Amino acid sequence: DGGITQSPKYLFRKEGQNVTLSCEQNLNHDAMYWYRQDPGQGLRLIYYSQIVNDFQKGDIAEGYSVSREKKESFPLTVTSAQKNPTAFYLCASSPQREAGGELFFGEGSRLTVL
Amino acid sequence: AQSVSQHNHHVILSEAASLELGCNYSYGGTVNLFWYVQYPGQHLQLLLKYFSGDPLVKGIKGFEAEFIKSKFSFNLRKPSVQWSDTAEYFCAVKSGGYNKLIFGAGTRLAVHP
Repeated sequence: DGGITQSPKYLFRKEGQNVTLSCEQNLNHDAMYWYRQDPGQGLRLIYYSQIVNDFQKGDIAEGYSVSREKKESFPLTVTSAQKNPTAFYLCASSPQREAGGELFFGEGSRLTVL
Repeated sequence: AQSVSQHNHHVILSEAASLELGCNYSYGGTVNLFWYVQYPGQHLQLLLKYFSGDPLVKGIKGFEAEFIKSKFSFNLRKPSVQWSDTAEYFCAVKSGGYNKLIFGAGTRLAVHP
């Protein structure tokens, strides 16, 4: 089955710790994205990557970092610099050359900072 | 900056009632418009999308949306909702060259039997 796999589904961390969320896709999509979902605020773009070894900041990149060493993988690190990291994180992908822009989403990772 | 506004944050309906969820966007150029749905415990999935052509777009599960360019709106409608439509609905807009979507805050719909 083709799709996007995010792990872990639930994660707890202590303040001051970095944590990395995994996102893997087997859809052969060029572009990948990380969104953060908070109640009443919808989805906000953290980082996105159009091709391997390249990525751009989204609207709320502060306190986060990413890498794109392989086409199928786009891990997100939530650093200790992120002031309010407790949230639901969604990874998505899209075929870059598609004109329409539809995104395909993973099931999400819920991060709770204790 | 581009933005998407969804006017209703929470909507409660009885089964068989009609549904209309409002969505307005701020960008004045060429846009692609989307409605996504997130059922409880499931991932976000595409409900319908508008690229060009007929401004009335039909999606899955009996949903439709109308693009009104003069009003910068893309409202979602369903003539008769079911309990299984209980979910959170997100409007999104894409403008520019990259597949980067801007999402609204979402509308939580609860349908009572």
